[in-house]
Amino acid sequence: AQSVTQLDSQVPVFEEAPVELRCNYSSSVSVYLFWYVQYPNQGLQLLLKYLSGSTLVESINGFEAEFNKSQTSFHLRKPSVHISDTAEYFCAVKIEGFKTIFGAGTRLFVKA
Amino acid sequence: KAGVTQTPRYLIKTRGQQVTLSCSPISGHRSVSWYQQTPGQGLQFLFEYFSETQRNKGNFPGRFSGRQFSNSRSEMNVSTLELGDSALYLCASSLVGQGFQDTQYFGPGTRLTVL
Repeated sequence: AQSVTQLDSQVPVFEEAPVELRCNYSSSVSVYLFWYVQYPNQGLQLLLKYLSGSTLVESINGFEAEFNKSQTSFHLRKPSVHISDTAEYFCAVKIEGFKTIFGAGTRLFVKA
Repeated sequence: KAGVTQTPRYLIKTRGQQVTLSCSPISGHRSVSWYQQTPGQGLQFLFEYFSETQRNKGNFPGRFSGRQFSNSRSEMNVSTLELGDSALYLCASSLVGQGFQDTQYFGPGTRLTVL
């Protein structure tokens, strides 16, 4: 069965510092990977997704994630965070025809 | 284009009561999925509807049910509420719910509190 592990429940970081939110998955078949962001009192928004092709995917607001098949990871990175990036981030895994499985979430807290 | 809307946004009920939550998908979207979000369990999949039929189901008791109407609007019902049902219930819609170009768009959620 597929599963998703987000290794950090909370990540505090200072503004303009780099950040990495870690995500590992397990699956016996090919998967498709997503990162969602949830701001306070809002639903989830798709940040970026890996379907196939280049293993490095980018979002419009400076985040990027790299698919590493050998390490079964899909870590999310940003070279310089802003206060407005404070939110909860969810990694998710999907196999075609099946439901999407979400990780437990990582709360990113950016400090001034 | 309007986003996914959920009503009501907040709800307070007592144990034993039942509740109905509503979700209006983005116009043209035919797939609607429901999720329960709690601090302890994270996001858990409840069920997915497509063309008025339940297509996928998560591991929730029969007290949780849903339906979808011909205009793709969906309702979720929870009967005999328990304290543990307190959660944020999220609805997500997509065009057809399959294929990886088919992105899910989430509503703001309904915050249910059971006293």
